[in-house]
Amino acid sequence: EDQVTQSPEALRLQEGESSSLNCSYTVSGLRGLFWYRQDPGKGPEFLFTLYSAGEEKEKERLKATLTKKESFLHITAPKPEDSATYLCAVQGSKGRRALTFGSGTRLQVQP
Amino acid sequence: DAGVIQSPRHEVTEMGQEVTLRCKPISGHDYLFWYRQTMMRGLELLIYFNNNVPIDDSGMPEDRFSAKMPNASFSTLKIQPSEPRDSAVYFCSSGGPPTDTQYFGPGTRLTVL
Repeated sequence: EDQVTQSPEALRLQEGESSSLNCSYTVSGLRGLFWYRQDPGKGPEFLFTLYSAGEEKEKERLKATLTKKESFLHITAPKPEDSATYLCAVQGSKGRRALTFGSGTRLQVQP
Repeated sequence: DAGVIQSPRHEVTEMGQEVTLRCKPISGHDYLFWYRQTMMRGLELLIYFNNNVPIDDSGMPEDRFSAKMPNASFSTLKIQPSEPRDSAVYFCSSGGPPTDTQYFGPGTRLTVL
């Protein structure tokens, strides 16, 4: 059974204070690891897909990295508009296309 | 593209009533997923379809839940009879070639009194 654990549960940063969110996973045959952003009252918004260890992807102030056991979402010089819940999900287990999600990290960036 | 469309956005009903949630996937996507999000359990898969055929319904809680996809543009999730513990946000997502990326709708917030 695929499992995803995210830490920390919540993170409060000052504007400009860089940090990282962690996603540890256990999966049988990783097809992809996904990062989503979710704002209150909205559906998850796709950010990145990572397919193999060593892969990195960037978008504005966000950079996602992947190892064989975990993924990190690095946030560089965050702004208040980066405040959201960040969700990590894996797709694996013998070709099953559904995503298994972690419980998310609630990020608050204060001005 | 308008993205994944879900209706209604909010539904309040009384215990025992039938509830029907609707989803229109992104045109050209061949996978459609139904997820449920609660504070206690997070986002969990209920069922997913490929080319309108149900592939995995292992997440459907019990016989009170049923889902259909009569064509590539429309899917429904029905709860009959509804119970207070069904209160949650229900998301529909779709995905298709060339990547496995799933795009989510805005969700339906269901409250069963």
